[in-house]
Amino acid sequence: GQQLNQSPQSMFIQEGEDVSMNCTSSSIFNTWLWYKQDPGEGPVLLIALYKAGELTSNGRLTAQFGITRKDSFLNISASIPSDVGIYFCAGQPTAGGTSYGKLTFGQGTILTVHP
Amino acid sequence: DAGVIQSPRHEVTEMGQEVTLRCKPISGHDYLFWYRQTMMRGLELLIYFNNNVPIDDSGMPEDRFSAKMPNASFSTLKIQPSEPRDSAVYFCASSLRGDTEAFFGQGTRLTVV
Repeated sequence: GQQLNQSPQSMFIQEGEDVSMNCTSSSIFNTWLWYKQDPGEGPVLLIALYKAGELTSNGRLTAQFGITRKDSFLNISASIPSDVGIYFCAGQPTAGGTSYGKLTFGQGTILTVHP
Repeated sequence: DAGVIQSPRHEVTEMGQEVTLRCKPISGHDYLFWYRQTMMRGLELLIYFNNNVPIDDSGMPEDRFSAKMPNASFSTLKIQPSEPRDSAVYFCASSLRGDTEAFFGQGTRLTVV
């Protein structure tokens, strides 16, 4: 089945530092999504990527859909305390296959920001 | 739209009891997903539906778990009988199509004692 490997598992950084996390897949994805989860809440969508090579920004967040369609990264610039949380990558396989629509998540990256 | 709505938010039950979790997806969304989240296993996809039809239930742990979607605006996840190891946060999510972003509910925190 599909495997999503997300790294790092956790990060401890100082406020103001930049952060980078990535995901790799054992199979080709049609869509890459990045979510953030705060304690006691459901994951909230940050960025959606639909085309190989696509680079998309949302404020201080930037994400890219890898050329091979098997990887994606998320960067956070100038981190602030409210960036604390768990970040997840997620992917959906290409259309036409038996797994179309199956949204699979990485293991998550726990981000801690020290003021 | 109010987003994906799950109920209850919290459920505490005794081992052996039946538990039913409920979800109302975003109107017009064709796909509905049920996930279970634990510290050890992260976010696991249990089952997903397309147009009310179950497409892949390979993530359902065992026969004690069942899910239904009787119509486009309602789905249930049932555990019977429940066991302590079922304690987790269960999320429902919906998406417009199979290749678009999914939106999550706030989850149901289940504790089986």
